[in-house]
Order: sequence, then structure tokens, then C-alpha cells
Amino acid sequence: AQKVTQAQTEISVVEKEDVTLDCVYETRDTTYYLFWYKQPPSGELVFLIRRNSFDEQNEISGRYSWNFQKSTSSFNFTITASQVVDSAVYFCALSESGGGADGLTFGKGTHLIIQP
Amino acid sequence: DTGVSQDPRHKITKRGQNVTFRCDPISEHNRLYWYRQTLGQGPEFLTYFQNEAQLEKSRLLSDRFSAERPKGSFSTLEIQRTEQGDSAMYLCASSLTGPRNAGDTQYFGPGTRLTVL
Repeated sequence: AQKVTQAQTEISVVEKEDVTLDCVYETRDTTYYLFWYKQPPSGELVFLIRRNSFDEQNEISGRYSWNFQKSTSSFNFTITASQVVDSAVYFCALSESGGGADGLTFGKGTHLIIQP
Repeated sequence: DTGVSQDPRHKITKRGQNVTFRCDPISEHNRLYWYRQTLGQGPEFLTYFQNEAQLEKSRLLSDRFSAERPKGSFSTLEIQRTEQGDSAMYLCASSLTGPRNAGDTQYFGPGTRLTVL
């Protein structure tokens, strides 16, 4: 069965610090997809990134970067020079490809607090 | 271009009552998903549609829950005989299936927060 673990329940840092959110996943499929979503206090989940299992290149988008390592089944998310607006709950999610079963399996989320 | 919309945003009901939620997906998205999120947890998958066909249901979707997408556009989620344990945020998402027919990016609506008294 597929599973996503976000061991960090809450992280608090001071603005401008770098912060890394960890995500470890379990799946039996060789083809799968990983996602990160942001959920600000307003409640709406905002899509950040999608990565398939065959693409292990790290990705950078502005202050955000993602490190995908199949060897350790991890898909970690780093925010550089954090800002107060980054405060939110961040979810890592997994989708397996077999049989069209495309419901996402989410971790429990990491609550990120950026203090001014 | 509008995103996924859900109505109502908040619903308070008494135990035993029926409630119905509506979701309007992003136009032209052929897949529509329902999730439930309780406090401090990640969203949990309930069911999804491809066009008007309901293709998968989670074990979380008890007999009191029913979902429809009659014309392949908007969807409704009905909960009959609500229980206090049904109190949660109900999230809808939509996606456009790609050539691999898997791993679509799902875009979420703002959710409907249900409180059962």
C-alpha cells in the first residue's frame, strides 16, 4: 500500500532563514507521481510541483527547490530566504499509476511558521 | 479562467439531517475528485469521476455517502443521516487526463466545511 510520511509536524523559523520540509514515501509501483501542495490559512490547497518517478532531476523555482532521491524514497522541499507569506501547511502527496487509481495519498502535513 | 468552485463554503447541520454539496470543476477538466480533510490531517481520497462515470470509491465512502456527476460537468456529494464524525472539510479537485492516463495534476477548490451538531 502507498504511504507518505511527513515527520515534521511543525517547523518555526525566523524570516530569511532557509528551511527544508521532509517527505518520505512508500510505493510498490515503479511508475508514480509526487506532488507538493501549500495550504494557507484560507484553506485552499495550492499546487506547487509535480514530479514523475523517472525524472530525478532537482527542480528550482524562485526561492523554492525540490530534491527527489529514489534511493531513499524522499522528495524534500526547501524554501530559501523564507518570508512570512510562506507560512502555511505544506503537504506532500503520492499518486500511483496503475489501473487509473488516481486518488492522491497525502502525508499529514508540516505546519511552517515564519516569524518576522 | 476560473478555478474549482464549491458551494456552500460552510454548512452547519443537526445530526440525522441530509446535506448536499456542489463542486464546479475547471472547465474542460474531465476528472473530478472528492476528498475529506479532518483537523490536523491531510486530505483523504473519497471518490473520483472521469466525465460522468464514477470510477473509484474509497472504503471511507460509506453507504450514507453518494456522489454524482450527471452531465460530466459539476458534481454533487450527498451525505444522508449525518453523524458527528462526518464533521470535516470536504474538498473537490479537478484535472485534465493526459496521455498516460495517470498522475494528473489536481487543482483544488476552497472546500466546504461541514459541522454536524
